[in-house]
Amino acid sequence: GEDVEQSLFLSVREGDSSVINCTYTDSSSTYLYWYKQEPGAGLQLLTYIFSNMDMKQDQRLTVLLNKKDKHLSLRIADTQTGDSAIYFCAESIGGSYIPTFGRGTSLIVHP
Amino acid sequence: DAGVIQSPRHEVTEMGQEVTLRCKPISGHDYLFWYRQTMMRGLELLIYFNNNVPIDDSGMPEDRFSAKMPNASFSTLKIQPSEPRDSAVYFCASSSHRGLAYNEQFFGPGTRLTVL
Repeated sequence: GEDVEQSLFLSVREGDSSVINCTYTDSSSTYLYWYKQEPGAGLQLLTYIFSNMDMKQDQRLTVLLNKKDKHLSLRIADTQTGDSAIYFCAESIGGSYIPTFGRGTSLIVHP
Repeated sequence: DAGVIQSPRHEVTEMGQEVTLRCKPISGHDYLFWYRQTMMRGLELLIYFNNNVPIDDSGMPEDRFSAKMPNASFSTLKIQPSEPRDSAVYFCASSSHRGLAYNEQFFGPGTRLTVL
């Protein structure tokens, strides 16, 4: 199976919270990342979390890490239409600086 | 800095033709990556360079694909001959690992390749 797995689609109503989930397989992951890809553009780093943390908050974004279950989530509060994009989960392992990306979750925000 | 620059942004070609994609990484970055994105396969790492040297090309689909990095500010990805199944968006990304514990990759805008 894939090293990093995500569901492919998520649809939410504007103003609601979005939760995008990711599972990874390698317990030696050091950093976990969320990248955002807007239509017609490349990926851009949204946030990251170090593996010795279990939560990181940045304005409307909350990242939760459950190392036991190898589960990472990204919560977007008060989701706006501008949040519509593809969100990629990624991990880097040990001393490697080469991230492994998931397939991405398309977030669709409707009025 | 202008970010990672890729050219062309769009390329339409016929099967059998040679295609060359170009990338200028962010100045000072020591890693350069080539990715391919399709609906079917998602984002695939094709090859990456460190200090202009190819480190891992295990993601290159077949011998029709080749990549070079003649200097720190330029890289090419060539497909010869091209086939319809090569149609995808190709991204170049660069990163710097000097002084940072985590890795942030900076992506270019991509080249959308269509092979007819």
